[in-house]
Amino acid sequence: EPEVTQTPSHQVTQMGQEVILRCVPISNHLYFYWYRQILGQKVEFLVSFYNNEISEKSEIFDDQFSVERPDGSNFTLKIRSTKLEDSAMYFCASNQIASGEQFFGPGTRLTVL
Amino acid sequence: AQSVSQHNHHVILSEAASLELGCNYSYGGTVNLFWYVQYPGQHLQLLLKYFSGDPLVKGIKGFEAEFIKSKFSFNLRKPSVQWSDTAEYFCAVNSNNAGNMLTFGGGTRLMVKP
Repeated sequence: EPEVTQTPSHQVTQMGQEVILRCVPISNHLYFYWYRQILGQKVEFLVSFYNNEISEKSEIFDDQFSVERPDGSNFTLKIRSTKLEDSAMYFCASNQIASGEQFFGPGTRLTVL
Repeated sequence: AQSVSQHNHHVILSEAASLELGCNYSYGGTVNLFWYVQYPGQHLQLLLKYFSGDPLVKGIKGFEAEFIKSKFSFNLRKPSVQWSDTAEYFCAVNSNNAGNMLTFGGGTRLMVKP
């Protein structure tokens, strides 16, 4: 069964450094998403992406964040200058139909020191 | 804006007990409703979903949920839990009118004692 994959599973970085989190959505899916979950808090929507552009973003998704689909398979989230409060689990998701079930990846645990 | 609340943060049950996890949402328009489960060390997986039609929805592993529009609720139930149901359960909502983003509840951590 096809799955969303994410790398790395765990990333540790110093405050102020740039990080790129990678996702490979399911191959025939057209809509891609990033969510994050700070420890002990809710899963929060960050951004959705369709047809090579951002379709929605939350207040969390400020200028420090960007997304890209650099090729036909990867979907990346870049945090330009990490802050301590960016420490969280970051989930990628994808779906074929916009309002349909979203399939989630296993997440990347980002720790900012 | 959409919001979702799950009333129980932690639930501890013995095997064979019945389960009901509450979920309420606030949004005035048409919604799609989901329950996701996260087993220890694994990713979020869909348990069941409601888009339209019969408000009683059956999902995988014996779970079901009932959409009660008048109460803005979508409670998850299972008549007899097993140790393997130990996991965190998330209720989520999206709406065709408010974009495709999922809004999640805070999650309920279920522990089933053998």
